[in-house]
Amino acid sequence: DTEVTQTPKHLVMGMTNKKSLKCEQHMGHRAMYWYKQKAKKPPELMFVYSYEKLSINESVPSRFSPECPNSSLLNLHLHALQPEDSALYLCASSQYGGQGETQYFGPGTRLLVL
Amino acid sequence: AQSVTQPDIHITVSEGASLELRCNYSYGATPYLFWYVQSPGQGLQLLLKYFSGDTLVQGIKGFEAEFKRSQSSFNLRKPSVHWSDAAEYFCAVGVINDYKLSFGAGTTVTVRA
Repeated sequence: DTEVTQTPKHLVMGMTNKKSLKCEQHMGHRAMYWYKQKAKKPPELMFVYSYEKLSINESVPSRFSPECPNSSLLNLHLHALQPEDSALYLCASSQYGGQGETQYFGPGTRLLVL
Repeated sequence: AQSVTQPDIHITVSEGASLELRCNYSYGATPYLFWYVQSPGQGLQLLLKYFSGDTLVQGIKGFEAEFKRSQSSFNLRKPSVHWSDAAEYFCAVGVINDYKLSFGAGTTVTVRA
């Protein structure tokens, strides 16, 4: 099973709202990733967790706050977002977070910020 | 730093015709190479990957790719395209001692009846 699930599929929020995106995998992977993807563009890496510890933050604004409660779950907490943050947010996982590993992607959450 | 180039932004192909998508990379050593496909509104699905060994790699959905070190290329092919192959295709590179994937800009494939 190479499935990564994400909820919700769609999310509309105002600029003063607080919301969370959720990601789950049951492949026993120890690395999980958040990507942001704008229309017709490749995914851009936001965060990497390895063994439940944040290992990489790609200079993402603090209005995005990741959390990894355990090795199967990854959350992205959203607060005071801007309209330009509207995008498809993809979660991915890989075995350990090491070199050249295959990353398996979820279906994404399409976020619209009004 | 490594980089990935997909020279073709958009390709239109007739159903049943062959398809080839180009990918060139820039990296000092042999990288790990991937092709992903993204259908509209969906996440990325891994088509195939190359780490080492046989330079012709078979993937899912009838796709194959060939690694050519001399040309720094990893082109994706399919002998006969189906309407369901209409999607965005991304080539990606992973390198030694780095978890990151570098993605190309993507190629949009349109299939006409």
